[in-house]
Amino acid sequence: DTAVSQTPKYLVTQMGNDKSIKCEQNLGHDTMYWYKQDSKKFLKIMFSYNNKELIINETVPNRFSPKSPDKAHLNLHINSLELGDSAVYFCASSQDRGSASGGWGEQFFGPGTRLTVL
Amino acid sequence: GQNIDQPTEMTATEGAIVQINCTYQTSGFNGLFWYQQHAGEAPTFLSYNVLDGLEEKGRFSSFLSRSKGYSYLLLKELQMKDSASYLCAVSDSNYQLIWGAGTKLIIKP
Repeated sequence: DTAVSQTPKYLVTQMGNDKSIKCEQNLGHDTMYWYKQDSKKFLKIMFSYNNKELIINETVPNRFSPKSPDKAHLNLHINSLELGDSAVYFCASSQDRGSASGGWGEQFFGPGTRLTVL
Repeated sequence: GQNIDQPTEMTATEGAIVQINCTYQTSGFNGLFWYQQHAGEAPTFLSYNVLDGLEEKGRFSSFLSRSKGYSYLLLKELQMKDSASYLCAVSDSNYQLIWGAGTKLIIKP
């Protein structure tokens, strides 16, 4: 009964290809996120969806497109992959706990997808 | 701009106590979070502070001073399994988490 799951765990591909990473959460949370963690371990928010609607869209290339068919799923599609896209991509989810509890701050992360672009 | 600062790396001895500091400058404040991340794994939630003072949870405690923009995570009775990166994150005025780069903690026997 995994809370947040991602597939695949490892993804090795050639430059220029298009790939997708899938994420599912069974926690009933209303918000889901995509993060990129590079080799320096800096965790950067890419996208956030709340009830299937985009609420954060950080400055990422438009080659990256999130898709949320329902509030339990948030997939990430990447077009024309580049060497610099190599990183670990984490999906996460959270539930609004109100302002006294930090809002959506307690996030539950998936195991990550290690993307290597050759 | 928004900024979270924490040391890049710290080393401590098994059984000892270590304090990991975090300073922040953000647009608004709705709480500070500490996460633990073991190598090759996902971050996991450790603690949350929104009011000044110390929150204790077993061997881990977290302290916050909002007026100073400062927090620390205190780990007692260190165990080898505590070797990990510790990430400080602040919830800003939009409840968006702003993340620090993390502190890699190395525990030696």
